[in-house]
Amino acid sequence: GESVGLHLPTLSVQEGDNSIINCAYSNSASDYFIWYKQESGKGPQFIIDIRSNMDKRQGQRVTVLLNKTVKHLSLQIAATQPGDSAVYFCAEAPTSNTGKLIFGQGTTLQVKP
Amino acid sequence: DTAVSQTPKYLVTQMGNDKSIKCEQNLGHDTMYWYKQDSKKFLKIMFSYNNKELIINETVPNRFSPKSPDKAHLNLHINSLELGDSAVYFCASSQGGTGRRAEAFFGQGTRLTVV
Repeated sequence: GESVGLHLPTLSVQEGDNSIINCAYSNSASDYFIWYKQESGKGPQFIIDIRSNMDKRQGQRVTVLLNKTVKHLSLQIAATQPGDSAVYFCAEAPTSNTGKLIFGQGTTLQVKP
Repeated sequence: DTAVSQTPKYLVTQMGNDKSIKCEQNLGHDTMYWYKQDSKKFLKIMFSYNNKELIINETVPNRFSPKSPDKAHLNLHINSLELGDSAVYFCASSQGGTGRRAEAFFGQGTRLTVV
């Protein structure tokens, strides 16, 4: 079946440390991946994306790594801040042209001051 | 300035009632979606419309009926509400298609509680 999963439901880090959130996906036909951040009471917000022809993409304080061989995505957040506390989802877009996104189960990031 | 807006934000209703959630997007996108987020935060697509045409129906009970009067609006009507319908419902939109066009922009969500 289709699924995108995250390895850890909750990740607790100290403020200032780096955070790494992992995701395993199962659909080898997906060619586009997104990380979303969902704060309490809000909808998911785009953080960073990556196409399947890349293995790394960097944004401001965030980096996404893609390993197609083992179908693995990770999100790295540098110098984690209290405002980074949220639920993080990876999502994959199959090449079916429907625009549908398949979401993982989410990892809750808790930042300790 | 809100890109994707949905109303109401909270909805508490009794079992058996019929309710609607409205959604509008001002991004000029062709594709709109309804997602359901359960108590464990799992997000799953329910429906997708492209230019008012249904393109995805993920085996949702037919008590749920989406309606798209134009490509900027996608409303969700739910008949005979059940306890298990309690969840947060998110409306989203995208340009539609593959790659970056699949990036979905989400509304703030509607927390539906059936009592």
